[in-house]
Amino acid sequence: GENVEQHPSTLSVQEGDSAVIKCTYSDSASNYFPWYKQELGKRPQLIIDIRSNVGEKKDQRIAVTLNKTAKHFSLHITETQPEDSAVYFCAPQKNPTGGGNKLTFGTGTQLKVEL
Amino acid sequence: EPEVTQTPSHQVTQMGQEVILRCVPISNHLYFYWYRQILGQKVEFLVSFYNNEISEKSEIFDDQFSVERPDGSNFTLKIRSTKLEDSAMYFCAAGWASAPEQYFGPGTRLTVT
Repeated sequence: GENVEQHPSTLSVQEGDSAVIKCTYSDSASNYFPWYKQELGKRPQLIIDIRSNVGEKKDQRIAVTLNKTAKHFSLHITETQPEDSAVYFCAPQKNPTGGGNKLTFGTGTQLKVEL
Repeated sequence: EPEVTQTPSHQVTQMGQEVILRCVPISNHLYFYWYRQILGQKVEFLVSFYNNEISEKSEIFDDQFSVERPDGSNFTLKIRSTKLEDSAMYFCAAGWASAPEQYFGPGTRLTVT
């Protein structure tokens, strides 16, 4: 099955700094790459995703970059704010035609943004 | 973002008892999923459900688990005889056939004593 790892497991940054979280996956058939944010006691919330035919996608302060050859994709958060503090999960998926395929979650990264 | 609701928010049960967790997807979702998250750990896939059938299940989803959509709207997860290790947060997720995105409900915290 798919093996998904994230690095680092914890990340502490000062407010206003940038944060980068890397996700490495094993299944070369994966072609959909989402990032989820989970605040304490809450649901995983989809914050950004990328398909395999795109190398980078940006949405305001967050961006995702994909290196399909090396089988990794990264979450970039710029100008971090205290409300960015949460656990972030990557969850690559094999998705040949649309919905119906499971998400395989990574091990998670605890991001703490300090004032 | 499409809304998915779950009930109850918290369920406490004794070991060996049966529990039913409920999910109500909205906006014509066609694919439904159950995931679980043991405290402090990653989210794990249990089962996916489409067109009133299980489309995929994980090793965790053994004979004590079952899913159904009894009335065309609610989507339920039943655990027949709960064990201590079933204590976790259970998330329902929903999505469409035409897109890979999955949207999660708020979860049900199951505590088995």
